[in-house]
Amino acid sequence: DGGITQSPKYLFRKEGQNVTLSCEQNLNHDAMYWYRQDPGQGLRLIYYSQIVNDFQKGDIAEGYSVSREKKESFPLTVTSAQKNPTAFYLCASRFLDSGNTIYFGEGSWLTVV
Amino acid sequence: EDKVVQSPLSLVVHEGDTVTLNCSYEVTNFRSLLWYKQEKKAPTFLFMLTSSGIEKKSGRLSSILDKKELFSILNITATQTGDSAIYLCAVDFSGNTGKLIFGQGTTLQVKP
Repeated sequence: DGGITQSPKYLFRKEGQNVTLSCEQNLNHDAMYWYRQDPGQGLRLIYYSQIVNDFQKGDIAEGYSVSREKKESFPLTVTSAQKNPTAFYLCASRFLDSGNTIYFGEGSWLTVV
Repeated sequence: EDKVVQSPLSLVVHEGDTVTLNCSYEVTNFRSLLWYKQEKKAPTFLFMLTSSGIEKKSGRLSSILDKKELFSILNITATQTGDSAIYLCAVDFSGNTGKLIFGQGTTLQVKP
């Protein structure tokens, strides 16, 4: 099946620990994204990548890191420097040609206790 | 600073009512505006708008863009309980930068 796969779906971590969320797509999309969503709110852009080995900070990049070593993979690490990491994280991807919509994975719930 | 602002943030209506959701934006290098519906997890695509004044329609939902006044509206007529969701507006940037930013979302609850 073609699509965007995020894992894990649910994750609990202790404060002070780094955690990595996986995002894999087999749609041959150029660009990949990470968004954070807090309950009842919209999506805030963390990082995005247009091409392998390159990525840009979004509006709330502090405390997060990413890599794009392969076109199909864009993992997000939530570091201990992120002050309030408990949230719903959505990965997305799309082609970069004009007029292409963005497609989302099913999301990962991260709870830090 | 680029921003996308949606209003109202939340709305409660009864089945059969008509609702209008608003999205305004202040961005450099605008390319298009997108609307999404989010019920549980992944948002699903509704409309993409690139030109002013051309209405996009799908069933009871319709949307239009005003590039002069920098806003879009999403209309839902004859609402049903299944329309209850978060409605998200996003702006895409030109130049193949890849950047795509969302507003805060409007949470719509439709009561029977």
